[in-house]
Amino acid sequence: DVKVTQSSRYLVKRTGEKVFLECVQDMDHENMFWYRQDPGLGLRLIYFSYDVKMKEKGDIPEGYSVSREKKERFSLILESASTNQTSMYLCASRSPGPAVSPLHFGNGTRLTVT
Amino acid sequence: QKEVEQDPGPLSVPEGAIVSLNCTYSNSAFQYFMWYRQYSRKGPELLMYTYSSGNKEDGRFTAQVDKSSKYISLFIRDSQPSDSATYLCAMNRGSNYKLTFGKGTLLTVNP
Repeated sequence: DVKVTQSSRYLVKRTGEKVFLECVQDMDHENMFWYRQDPGLGLRLIYFSYDVKMKEKGDIPEGYSVSREKKERFSLILESASTNQTSMYLCASRSPGPAVSPLHFGNGTRLTVT
Repeated sequence: QKEVEQDPGPLSVPEGAIVSLNCTYSNSAFQYFMWYRQYSRKGPELLMYTYSSGNKEDGRFTAQVDKSSKYISLFIRDSQPSDSATYLCAMNRGSNYKLTFGKGTLLTVNP
């Protein structure tokens, strides 16, 4: 079974802090994704990466950056956390292939910025 | 108009009921349609997919696509309390395109 592991289940940070959210997958997937999930807004794509050292902006990249130095690890960085970044963050990985190749999600990191 | 519309519910049904979950979309370029299920405090997982108009059945679940109406449905027969979850529709134009999700419908099946 594919396993996508997010380093923290809950995280509380202060406004202005630099925040790192870590994600590791164990299935050698080329594609990795960061989403945030908010009530009433659903899943929104922040950034994705097709391969190591490659990154593409998603629908809401402002205030975020990413790093992918190794194939199995994809990090989301909040350069200066703000209260509107309080959310559930979900990492996913996928093997490139058919369009219906599934996204495999981690269980999320609930970030609260105070 | 949003690309994908999904009624967020919540939807509450008694055990054994037939459940119908729906999404509409506006982009006729969408070719591939999926349903993800998300249990509380878990990430979504792929439940079913289809890439043509018509029905696809898997046990108690049936996915239906009507491309002419830009309408997709997920039917759950003989619903069980274990089906209580948020159901998200998702679609894309092809393997090199990102997935577009609906907002999800929260379903509760009461014993």
